[in-house]
Amino acid sequence: AQKVTQAQTEISVVEKEDVTLDCVYETRDTTYYLFWYKQPPSGELVFLIRRNSFDEQNEISGRYSWNFQKSTSSFNFTITASQVVDSAVYFCALSEEEETSGSRLTFGEGTQLTVNP
Amino acid sequence: DADVTQTPRNRITKTGKRIMLECSQTKGHDRMYWYRQDPGLGLRLIYYSFDVKDINKGEISDGYSVSRQAQAKFSLSLESAIPNQTALYFCATSEHRLETQYFGPGTRLLVL
Repeated sequence: AQKVTQAQTEISVVEKEDVTLDCVYETRDTTYYLFWYKQPPSGELVFLIRRNSFDEQNEISGRYSWNFQKSTSSFNFTITASQVVDSAVYFCALSEEEETSGSRLTFGEGTQLTVNP
Repeated sequence: DADVTQTPRNRITKTGKRIMLECSQTKGHDRMYWYRQDPGLGLRLIYYSFDVKDINKGEISDGYSVSRQAQAKFSLSLESAIPNQTALYFCATSEHRLETQYFGPGTRLLVL
């Protein structure tokens, strides 16, 4: 069974600090996808990134970067020069290829990030 | 306009009442999903549908039922609401298997 662990329940930083959110996953499949979603205080879920298991290239999008390492089953998310607007709950999720049940996302428990001015 | 909409956004109901949450999408996706979010538990899948004729149970389907009225509409019903169904409910859609799921704004449900 697939599992996603976000060991950091809460993180608090001061604005402009860099912060890394950890995500460790378990899967028996060789084909899978990893996702990060952001949930701001308003409650909606915002898609940030999707990465397939065959693409281990790190990705950077503005202040956001993602480090995918299959050897350690990790897909960590770094925010550089954090801002107050980055305050949110961040979810890591895993989707395996299943013949009959489709793309079911398994979510981690989320990390509450608070960026203080 | 939002691609995935949910109604109502907030609902308070009493134990034993029947309640329906509705989801509509304009993304043209075949696959639709219902999740619930509880504090500290992330999101858990209730039901999902590949198309109008294909509906499947998720990991926590007990106490819930669904109806896929059209490609664009997927409703979640609580036949007899109970307090531990108090949660934030999300609808999501995706185009194909393994594709990104896009979420609606959520419905906050309180069962008294």
